[in-house]
Amino acid sequence: AQSVTQLDSHVSVSEGTPVLLRCNYSSSYSPSLFWYVQHPNKGLQLLLKYTSAATLVKGINGFEAEFKKSETSFHLTKPSAHMSDAAEYFCVVSDTSGTYKYIFGTGTRLKVLA
Amino acid sequence: DTEVTQTPKHLVMGMTNKKSLKCEQHMGHRAMYWYKQKAKKPPELMFVYSYEKLSINESVPSRFSPECPNSSLLNLHLHALQPEDSALYLCASSSAAGTRPAFFGQGTRLTVV
Repeated sequence: AQSVTQLDSHVSVSEGTPVLLRCNYSSSYSPSLFWYVQHPNKGLQLLLKYTSAATLVKGINGFEAEFKKSETSFHLTKPSAHMSDAAEYFCVVSDTSGTYKYIFGTGTRLKVLA
Repeated sequence: DTEVTQTPKHLVMGMTNKKSLKCEQHMGHRAMYWYKQKAKKPPELMFVYSYEKLSINESVPSRFSPECPNSSLLNLHLHALQPEDSALYLCASSSAAGTRPAFFGQGTRLTVV
């Protein structure tokens, strides 16, 4: 069975400093992994996706993530945090056995301090 | 265009009311989803439609009734809901099983009084 674990429920950074949101996955197959962002009372926006092409994936708003098979990790990073990055972030793995299911991590709330 | 449109944005309904949530996408996606999200929690899958047929029902109570009239539309019919059903209801769509991302609507904030 596939699963994702987000290692931090809350992360606080100062504006202008780097962001690191951690995600580990478990998958019997070659996984498809995604990061989504959710601002308060909004839907989920796709930040980036890994689908077995390049291991370093660039997304929107300056975010990127690196797929590391040896560490079963897919951590999200950004070099310099902006106030508008404050939101909930979800790491998601898709079930590639054909069920159409997306398995969500529990989320990481990012707080950006002025 | 990666837009999934949900209406209404907000809905307040009594426990004896019948209402419907609507979702529309024009990306040609053949899988559509309903999720329920409570505060400070990840979305929970409710239903999946694949090629307009219900493929997954995650043991959702019968007071929630999904419908997929065509490949672009997804409805969620609500009847005799309970206050604990108050949540953000999210619709999503995707182009294929597994490898492609899902695209989400902005959600309907439902309050049951």
